Amino acid sequence: SAVISQKPSRDICQRGTSLTIQCQVDSQVTMMFWYRQQPGQSLTLIATANQGSEATYESGFVIDKFPISRPNLTFSTLTVSNMSPEDSSIYLCSVRGTGQETQYFGPGTRLLVL
Amino acid sequence: GENVEQHPSTLSVQEGDSAVIKCTYSDSASNYFPWYKQELGKGPQLIIDIRSNVGEKKDQRIAVTLNKTAKHFSLHITETQPEDSAVYFCAARTSYGKLTFGQGTILTVHP
Repeated sequence: SAVISQKPSRDICQRGTSLTIQCQVDSQVTMMFWYRQQPGQSLTLIATANQGSEATYESGFVIDKFPISRPNLTFSTLTVSNMSPEDSSIYLCSVRGTGQETQYFGPGTRLLVL
Repeated sequence: GENVEQHPSTLSVQEGDSAVIKCTYSDSASNYFPWYKQELGKGPQLIIDIRSNVGEKKDQRIAVTLNKTAKHFSLHITETQPEDSAVYFCAARTSYGKLTFGQGTILTVHP
């Protein structure tokens, strides 16, 4: 199974600021995803991070608000821009290997926006 | 798109009892069904999964059953222990598709 780390593990931010979350995997993976989990809710896919090209965003999520980078097969970043209290959530990185069905999740980044 | 419904939203059992969580899905093309356990302060952890060509899969105290005709699948935990207390999520996915998650079940096992 893949070992995924995320930084920071948690943060408290002021509204109007931006936060970049890093995701590092211990092996090369084909697919990397970013999810949001609002308090007490299920997991919602934000986007698929594509290596060397623009991320593929789900309905309701836009690049200006959640810019994503994926410079190589083991690393990705998600930025939450111009934050408001509604952005307070857990942000989760997830990966799936080549030809594999199993999808693994990182420990998450717990974000509180004041 | 796919829609996954999960029940119950909360489940409370006594230690040693069995727990069953049920999910239904809408897309008949879905062929992969994982279950995740999320403990407080942690990310979701895959505990068991099943493909559509299999009706049942077991791993020690955990089992998953799948009824393709009725489009529902269930998680069964036997001999529950306090450390089984967590939020459990079911999910469904088509080939090359994205995972769609259920709403989650908060399982509490009382000693």
